[in-house]
Amino acid sequence: NAGVTQTPKFQVLKTGQSMTLQCAQDMNHEYMSWYRQDPGMGLRLIHYSVGAGITDQGEVPNGYNVSRSTTEDFPLRLLSAAPSQTSVYFCASSYYPTGGYGYTFGSGTRLTVV
Amino acid sequence: GQQVMQIPQYQHVQEGEDFTTYCNSSTTLSNIQWYKQRPGGHPVFLIQLVKSGEVKKQKRLTFQFGEAKKNSSLHITATQTTDVGTYFCAGRGRYGNKLVFGAGTILRVKS
Repeated sequence: NAGVTQTPKFQVLKTGQSMTLQCAQDMNHEYMSWYRQDPGMGLRLIHYSVGAGITDQGEVPNGYNVSRSTTEDFPLRLLSAAPSQTSVYFCASSYYPTGGYGYTFGSGTRLTVV
Repeated sequence: GQQVMQIPQYQHVQEGEDFTTYCNSSTTLSNIQWYKQRPGGHPVFLIQLVKSGEVKKQKRLTFQFGEAKKNSSLHITATQTTDVGTYFCAGRGRYGNKLVFGAGTILRVKS
């Protein structure tokens, strides 16, 4: 089992560029989510999905888009990168919408916007 | 919206000393989860508490959920260098699908 796979692991973008962070899971989890982690601020929810075709906003959705066309994949798109989006991004998934068994996190993408 | 506060932000202990981190929610929670993140790593699920007043143990770790389901704590007895990392609590409100994380407590252990 690969679990939750995130690519790339590291990325440097110039301000204004766009890119997609990939997230794939092979555990048949219905629930998937994206968090960003900044020093002293914990993990903040960007977007989440409770199943294919269903997405919703989290705490900090501005500047990001998501889609969920399959159960396995949940890509995060940065529309026009800004220095404030420099962060570590984690994708997480779980079996239930309520995460009864806890979230499985990917290894993260460290993004720097210059 | 729902907020989860976690204290202390940082704790540096001597190996063998005990450690406790506290989590408080602005609203009543349906459940609370705890995660550990090693330096440079990703969060790893430790446990979930659901019932009011619930206490669970994992070896040297003791987790508690308050009677009002608005606060929780993680206590580590006799810390070891392998306990180093950031401990996060994460709470879910009664009606939401969102898991809100606290800011985390960074634990450093001096040997």
